Amino acid sequence: QKEVEQNSGPLSVPEGAIASLNCTYSDRVSQSFFWYRQYSGKSPELIMSIYSNGDKEDGRFTAQLNKASQYVSLLIRDSQPSDSATYLCAVSPNAGGTSYGKLTFGQGTILTVHP
Amino acid sequence: DTGVSQDPRHKITKRGQNVTFRCDPISEHNRLYWYRQTLGQGPEFLTYFQNEAQLEKSRLLSDRFSAERPKGSFSTLEIQRTEQGDSAMYLCASSLPGRTSGNTIYFGEGSWLTVV
Repeated sequence: QKEVEQNSGPLSVPEGAIASLNCTYSDRVSQSFFWYRQYSGKSPELIMSIYSNGDKEDGRFTAQLNKASQYVSLLIRDSQPSDSATYLCAVSPNAGGTSYGKLTFGQGTILTVHP
Repeated sequence: DTGVSQDPRHKITKRGQNVTFRCDPISEHNRLYWYRQTLGQGPEFLTYFQNEAQLEKSRLLSDRFSAERPKGSFSTLEIQRTEQGDSAMYLCASSLPGRTSGNTIYFGEGSWLTVV
C-alpha cells in the first residue's frame, strides 16, 4: 500500500462544476495535510493546508480532513479552465514531537476543466 | 522576486558526468529541502537542512549524491557519475522554523536534468 494515494485520474469536469479530489494516507500519526497545484512543466504551488478535522475554506477551494478515516479531500467550486492542472496531496509525519517539511506526496490527479 | 531560486533551470548532460544544482531559499527561511520528481509522480523527499546542518537524508540519496549548505544560506546538490535514471526535476523548497509553519514549504521552479 502506498503511503499517500490519490483517486486515479484524469478527472474531467465542465466549467462551473464542482471538482472533487480525494486522498487517503496510511500513517495514522500524520498531523499536517496539504494540497499543491502543479501546472505542466512547473513546480508545485501550495493552495491549501489543513491540520484539524473538518472543513477549511479559502475562496473557491475547500479542504476536508477526516483523521479517523485517514482521508483528505479538496473541492473546487465553480471550476474554471485555469484550474486545469495536476493536484498533489501531501502529508507530513509527526516524528518524535517535531515537525518539519518532510512531505510524502501522492502521485497526483490530473484535472481538466473544459469550457 | 523573493521566492526560492534555482539554477540552472535546465541541464542536459552525458551519462557519467557530474552536475551541480544551486538553490537560494527565501531569505528568512532557515529550513531548506531537496526533492526529486519524475514524470507522472509526486515529488520525493531527498534531504533537509536546518541552517547549515543536514538533518535527514532519504535512502533515495545514494552515495553519488551530495548536498551542502555551507553557511546556512544557499545550498548545492551535486550528482556524480550521472545515470539515465537520474533524469528528473530537482526541486528545492524552504520554510520557516516552527512546529506548524515549518511544515509549510515553498518550492522553487525546479531544475530539470536530462541524462543522455
